[in-house]
Order: sequence, then structure tokens, then C-alpha cells
Amino acid sequence: GDSVTQMEGPVTLSEEAFLTINCTYTATGYPSLFWYVQYPGEGLQLLLKATKADDKGSNKGFEATYRKETTSFHLEKGSVQVSDSAVYFCALGGRTTDSWGKLQFGAGTQVVVTP
Amino acid sequence: DTEVTQTPKHLVMGMTNKKSLKCEQHMGHRAMYWYKQKAKKPPELMFVYSYEKLSINESVPSRFSPECPNSSLLNLHLHALQPEDSALYLCASSPRRVQSNTGELFFGEGSRLTVL
Repeated sequence: GDSVTQMEGPVTLSEEAFLTINCTYTATGYPSLFWYVQYPGEGLQLLLKATKADDKGSNKGFEATYRKETTSFHLEKGSVQVSDSAVYFCALGGRTTDSWGKLQFGAGTQVVVTP
Repeated sequence: DTEVTQTPKHLVMGMTNKKSLKCEQHMGHRAMYWYKQKAKKPPELMFVYSYEKLSINESVPSRFSPECPNSSLLNLHLHALQPEDSALYLCASSPRRVQSNTGELFFGEGSRLTVL
């Protein structure tokens, strides 16, 4: 069945450091891939998405490229700020065997950025 | 304006109480979702309504009862809950019917439920 694996946290960084959060997936069909972010005390927000292979999603300085050959969708940001401290969820959706409109979330990675 | 509004933000209830969580969206979205999120875990899907009809029920215990009175409103009725049901309950909506949805959801801020 569909699954999403992302690196465990917490990831602790200094301000202006480079951030990478690894995400790999398993799915049959035509998955879409997402990164959602959850700031403390809030719901989830869509950060970026990619709906087909080689698509690059980007938003707020974050980027992720849908790599079908490595079944990956790693999240990157070149220079993080304290305000980027949050939990980041990689998610899989779209038209897959298991999906039919459901989202399969990874376990989440907590990112802590210190001044 | 993209917004999903959930009330109440916090709820404390005893195991014999009956309460409801409410969710509202005015984006014209046709699918609405209830998720349950425990601390430090990803959200778990509970129910999906598509065009006001229950489309997905993820084998949720009957003490949780969803209702979709119209295309903008979604309720979750709670009765005889257990302490382990304490969690953040998230509502979400999506523009398309659930079978066509790629997975792009708009979430509310959640209702934090504590069952004593």
C-alpha cells in the first residue's frame, strides 16, 4: 500500500542555516506529493505541492522536486528563520491504488530554529 | 479569503457528556473532512463528506457521529467519549469531490478536546 517515510526529528538549526528534510514514498498509480506545515498551536497549512514527476513546488523560500526515479520529495530551504520553527509533514495523495482523495501523511519532522 | 473556521477552540467534557464540534467554510468547497491528531503524530482521517454525503468512514467508533447539514457546515457530535479520545480535532475542506481530489486540503486551526 501507499506509504510515506520522512526523517525523524527534532532537527535543530541556527538561523540562516540550510534546511533539508528527506521524504520518500511508495505508491502505485499517479501520486501527487505535498509538504504541509503545522506551526505551534495551529492547524496544518499547505506549504507546496507537485502533481507529476520532475515538477518543482516552491513557496516562502522552500522548494521540493518530485523525483520519480528515487521516489523522493525532499524539502529544502537555503536560509531558515526562527519563524520557520514548526512541524513539517510530507504527504501523498492523488490517484493511487490506496488513495482516492485521501492523504497519506508521513510521521512529521519537528524543526527548531534558534537565533 | 481561504478560511476554515472551527469552534470551539478548546473543549473539556466528561465521559457522560454530549457535545459537538463545528466547522464552517465559505469557499464553495464540495468535500469536507474530519481528522484526529494526537500529540506529536500526523493527522488521522476520520470522515469525509463529498457533496454533503458521507463518502468515507475510517471505521470510527460510533461515539463520534458526523453531520453535514449543508455544503458549508460540518459537525462532529460527541457522546460517551473516553479519555483516550482527547486530541486535536481538525476540519479540512477541498475544492473538488473527494474522488477527484489530488490531496490539496485547507485546514482549520482545530478544536482541542480534553475528556476527563
